[in-house]
Amino acid sequence: DAKTTQPTSMDCAEGRAANLPCNHSTISGNEYVYWYRQIHSQGPQYIIHGLKNNETNEMASLIITEDRKSSTLILPHATLRDTAVYYCIVRLRRNFGNEKLTFGTGTRLTIIP
Amino acid sequence: GAVVSQHPSRVICKSGTSVKIECRSLDFQATTMFWYRQFPKQSLMLMATSNEGSKATYEQGVEKDKFLINHASLTLSTLTVTSAHPEDSSFYICSARAGRTSGEETQYFGPGTRLLVL
Repeated sequence: DAKTTQPTSMDCAEGRAANLPCNHSTISGNEYVYWYRQIHSQGPQYIIHGLKNNETNEMASLIITEDRKSSTLILPHATLRDTAVYYCIVRLRRNFGNEKLTFGTGTRLTIIP
Repeated sequence: GAVVSQHPSRVICKSGTSVKIECRSLDFQATTMFWYRQFPKQSLMLMATSNEGSKATYEQGVEKDKFLINHASLTLSTLTVTSAHPEDSSFYICSARAGRTSGEETQYFGPGTRLLVL
């Protein structure tokens, strides 16, 4: 699976939009971009994923550049509960296969009151 | 999203004993489950992949005789840490993948089990 690069840490003021970047310059055409987050001492929580188009759900928006070499996760109105480590993962789409998720070090997002 | 549970949430055991951790998909059938391990201040590392009704596939460096995985039903996988030692103390997390068809490939994670071996 393609490697991703994320900033080690970021701060964001409560109530503001948190924009978390991810570089995946070696992504191939059949690889998805997934975002998970892990709040301290809990299992990772699925946030969103996409292939080419921008995606939005109740948690976040995912903006993928046209060349697909980078993406940004947007939390529109950050709250203190959004403080977590955010993982950007690129994963091959395969049916019936072993779809491994390779976790990098992620971005530690701290929401400031 | 789909719900995955783990039991127990934390366990303390003596060195040399075996510990079993259960992972259940509560509202969907999981054809594939994954077991991860996470040491303090580190990222998750995949240990093994288990498919219902077949043998687990272990990642390089993970001893299959030490970490026994059973996936006997579509909603339950178990990880048994045999003859546990202090270096096995870690946060063990499972995930489950729903369905066999495309579009159901998202993995959902359990809350994790913290193991402390004395």
